[in-house]
Amino acid sequence: GESVGLHLPTLSVQEGDNSIINCAYSNSASDYFIWYKQESGKGPQFIIDIRSNMDKRQGQRVTVLLNKTVKHLSLQIAATQPGDSAVYFCAEKREDSNYQLIWGAGTKLIIKP
Amino acid sequence: DAGVIQSPRHEVTEMGQEVTLRCKPISGHNSLFWYRQTMMRGLELLIYFNNNVPIDDSGMPEDRFSAKMPNASFSTLKIQPSEPRDSAVYFCASSFIGSGEKLFFGSGTQLSVL
Repeated sequence: GESVGLHLPTLSVQEGDNSIINCAYSNSASDYFIWYKQESGKGPQFIIDIRSNMDKRQGQRVTVLLNKTVKHLSLQIAATQPGDSAVYFCAEKREDSNYQLIWGAGTKLIIKP
Repeated sequence: DAGVIQSPRHEVTEMGQEVTLRCKPISGHNSLFWYRQTMMRGLELLIYFNNNVPIDDSGMPEDRFSAKMPNASFSTLKIQPSEPRDSAVYFCASSFIGSGEKLFFGSGTQLSVL
């Protein structure tokens, strides 16, 4: 049969606007969540993380929100810049593992000038 | 800190040839991971070392793949013999487990098997 490639969800945002990238995670027993940014030709780069005992954490221009009730994670980027163009991955870690991350498929963020 | 260093950045080889990918983790990190990334499957964990010992190799596709970590500052991933379906980007990452689970990734090796 015909193989189907992995088509990344894409989010297009005007430069200067805020971006919100969403992620649904799979396991209610996950205790740690992390966001990575991957630019073309580079490895994933850590952005921000959050533990399950928190529902919000802020960094420089980024905020991660965790809703455990609906198993939803979001990354908010304030005042989006051209350098924010990348693929963004969320990952979760189950509480019974100290190393195994379960990765999301990724979201491609495109910045419109 | 130079970060995680991988070599080569690009490798083009013919089917059946042996391929060796190299990784130098961040000094002081006690955990090392080899990942493979493709459009079809995304990021897949191949093998995880802790204190130079392989802890989880359940992600290694088959016996053609092997990985070693002879010391805390060096690891290799070998594919012998290579096949076209092995074409992917291979990433090495390191971390200090127990001090947060944050992984630091290298720039990857783009492998093309013809």
